[in-house]
Amino acid sequence: QVQLQESGPGLVKPSETLSLSCSVSGGSVSSGSYFWTWIRQPPGKKLEWIGNIYYTGNTDYNPSLRSRVTMSLDTSKTHFSLKLSSVTAADTAVYFCARDSAVIPRMLAYWGQGVLVTVSS
Amino acid sequence: EIVLTQSPGTLSLSPGERATLSCRASQSVSSSYLAWFQQKPGQAPRLLIYGASNRATGIPDRFSGSGSGTDFTLAISRLEPEDFAVYYCQQCGGSPWTFGQGTKVEV
Repeated sequence: QVQLQESGPGLVKPSETLSLSCSVSGGSVSSGSYFWTWIRQPPGKKLEWIGNIYYTGNTDYNPSLRSRVTMSLDTSKTHFSLKLSSVTAADTAVYFCARDSAVIPRMLAYWGQGVLVTVSS
Repeated sequence: EIVLTQSPGTLSLSPGERATLSCRASQSVSSSYLAWFQQKPGQAPRLLIYGASNRATGIPDRFSGSGSGTDFTLAISRLEPEDFAVYYCQQCGGSPWTFGQGTKVEV
């Protein structure tokens, strides 16, 4: 059973880069045909898909964030990462990492618990 | 971008009652790529329904999904106390993947 756990700074200053990591246990980020996904949720608001990184390293980003987002797979094969540059208060949110299921592709069956990132000076 | 509109925004019901939640897409969505999630305060979303009508592992049979094209429905046949939460529909058939704005089922 795969388990995901987000980690990173809980406070980021405006204009800086938000960096988060998702630790994967029970599997490798470079094996299997999985979508490794980042999703965020501003306080009291709906879920927003940030993007996917495939096990091959191919990425697909939300056009609304594309110019500021970078996702990568860690060479240790046990993490994948999110970087969001030039953050503003609008980027304050709970950030989740997630993965789809081997038997139901694209369906986000596995989620981390989420990490709150606040953008403030 | 496929916009998903959920209705109603809030559903006020009592335990034992039936809940019917709607999700309408701005353009046709393949049923294979329509999912429903349940989210409780302070928790990550939990996959309930995938492929529009298939229950995910461990989901009770009081939850059912239906629909096709642009209109999808999540039904909860008899509300249990633990079912009071926010429910989101989501499509992953086209990029960007999108979520509805959520329906809150409250007591």
